[in-house]
Amino acid sequence: DGGITQSPKYLFRKEGQNVTLSCEQNLNHDAMYWYRQDPGQGLRLIYYSQIVNDFQKGDIAEGYSVSREKKESFPLTVTSAQKNPTAFYLCASSIRTGQGDEQYFGPGTRLTVT
Amino acid sequence: AQSVTQLDSQVPVFEEAPVELRCNYSSSVSVYLFWYVQYPNQGLQLLLKYLSGSTLVKGINGFEAEFNKSQTSFHLRKPSVHISDTAEYFCAVSEHTDKLIFGTGTRLQVFP
Repeated sequence: DGGITQSPKYLFRKEGQNVTLSCEQNLNHDAMYWYRQDPGQGLRLIYYSQIVNDFQKGDIAEGYSVSREKKESFPLTVTSAQKNPTAFYLCASSIRTGQGDEQYFGPGTRLTVT
Repeated sequence: AQSVTQLDSQVPVFEEAPVELRCNYSSSVSVYLFWYVQYPNQGLQLLLKYLSGSTLVKGINGFEAEFNKSQTSFHLRKPSVHISDTAEYFCAVSEHTDKLIFGTGTRLQVFP
């Protein structure tokens, strides 16, 4: 059963700690994405990767880092430099035909930093 | 630069009534258009997409959308809603790249 998994579903951290969110896909997709969702702001792109060992900053990359060492995995680290990290984080993937490829989303991770 | 506007942040409607969720976009080139649905505390699921051809696109769960190039709109419609349609709906646009630009979402609340 193909899809995207994100773990954990809920994550709690103290301010000043780095935290890594997991994203794994078994859809054999080349492209993967991380979004942040806040109430009333829609989805904002943090980072995306079109191929293994390569990734680009999105619109709100400050305070975040990623890696893409394997095609299936695209973990996101929320660093202590991120000023307001509490949010719902969504991972997505897509094939790359350039013909209106839909993005498939994971179930999300809700991060709370206190 | 491309952008997406969903003017209605919330749309309340009674069960079995019709509904239209509005989406307007701005772009200097041709685009692909998408509608996604998000149920509480879940990821997004594709409802439908417009790539080319017929301007009326049918999707899952009885939803449809019409692409209007002159008005740069892609409004989502359903003739009769159910309680289970209560969710947040996102319009998105792509300028033939890997990236999607999302609107801020419209919360559809269906009342019995």
